[in-house]
Amino acid sequence: DQQVKQNSPSLSVQEGRISILNCDYTNSMFDYFLWYKKYPAEGPTFLISISSIKDKNEDGRFTVFLNKSAKHLSLHIVPSQPGDSAVYFCAASGAGGTSYGKLTFGQGTILTVHP
Amino acid sequence: DTAVSQTPKYLVTQMGNDKSIKCEQNLGHDTMYWYKQDSKKFLKIMFSYNNKELIINETVPNRFSPKSPDKAHLNLHINSLELGDSAVYFCASSYQETQYFGPGTRLLVL
Repeated sequence: DQQVKQNSPSLSVQEGRISILNCDYTNSMFDYFLWYKKYPAEGPTFLISISSIKDKNEDGRFTVFLNKSAKHLSLHIVPSQPGDSAVYFCAASGAGGTSYGKLTFGQGTILTVHP
Repeated sequence: DTAVSQTPKYLVTQMGNDKSIKCEQNLGHDTMYWYKQDSKKFLKIMFSYNNKELIINETVPNRFSPKSPDKAHLNLHINSLELGDSAVYFCASSYQETQYFGPGTRLLVL
């Protein structure tokens, strides 16, 4: 039962353009969402997060949008740079009770930014 | 200035052996975690500890035993290793709801 889904296994974008990575979730108890970036042979690196009380959070080139009614979030990267090429994981937490602190991850989207 | 570190980075061993993976964080966080990334690349939580106390244990075989000697360390001991244990194991620690990950330990069981 996959509660967090990233339906696009890969995305290819030209340098300077916008990258949009999508994530859907099914558990309405999730109240905190995070995006992580992962390079090969390294651990996931925290990128940006959003609480369910907000619908947008921005940090430099990265913006996360949350649509609670659609149970959907997206990560926008603009402008995209070749160094952004990595696997991006969406994660969710806060499904209550003993699930506190447990992150549920999507399966990742491989982003390739071409020069 | 490594935040979350794991040793070893690579571990190749035979079926049936017992092995340990160590994790240390110097971020002053109270909560630490172990995750497993399987061959399909899914990251799944195994355990979490808060101030040396187990708070999450996710249907993990009891061959896996986490040990937290202090809040900066969370080690993972695996008994009687099986082929299916081959994976990348990530340690993490958290401040509020954001988790910070180590570089991973790549375990290969032959």
